[in-house]
Amino acid sequence: QQPVQSPQAVILREGEDAVINCSSSKALYSVHWYRQKHGEAPVFLMILLKGGEQKGHEKISASFNEKKQQSSLYLTASQLSYSGTYFCGTEDKQNAGNMLTFGGGTRLMVKP
Amino acid sequence: EAQVTQNPRYLITVTGKKLTVTCSQNMNHEYMSWYRQDPGLGLRQIYYSMNVEVTDKGDVPEGYKVSRKEKRNFPLILESPSPNQTSLYFCASSLYVGGQETQYFGPGTRLLVL
Repeated sequence: QQPVQSPQAVILREGEDAVINCSSSKALYSVHWYRQKHGEAPVFLMILLKGGEQKGHEKISASFNEKKQQSSLYLTASQLSYSGTYFCGTEDKQNAGNMLTFGGGTRLMVKP
Repeated sequence: EAQVTQNPRYLITVTGKKLTVTCSQNMNHEYMSWYRQDPGLGLRQIYYSMNVEVTDKGDVPEGYKVSRKEKRNFPLILESPSPNQTSLYFCASSLYVGGQETQYFGPGTRLLVL
């Protein structure tokens, strides 16, 4: 079963912040985040392995709450280049090492 | 340059005409995977392969076949394409799945089945 992402879409002004959530019904081993620009392939952002782990990548960071089977992606002081669709991919503990299941995506648009 | 290549990039075909989409990676990755992307549904895994001669079904395998005879290649075969297989297809590879390993995606193949 696919993880659920929320919101499905968000529009920001440059400089504003956003949070994208990813929830799974299964116990998770890892969470991956990708960004896809229109017409392009998804590009890796970061992987979170341990519960409670937080990682950062420039002004984009993420957290992983193993207990709640959730991950959140934080985009701070958004830039025009952040526009795109963000996907979380989850590796559940039962299928660890086999499959990565992606959410439906969150479309982010940053306006000047 | 490390990359995943797919061919063709665009394909228009008719119902029932067998087709193959090729995927090749030059990173000596063990894990390869095929996804289809449809609006609102994100990326759904079709098949994956842990290594040569080892393949397994993903979430939406119906109507597709794969083979992994060599480490670098992982072709996707549609024996009898139908209009509901019209989609954007991505091949991906990684050293292994999960853990610290990221997946590298190919550029995508846009397929239209009439």
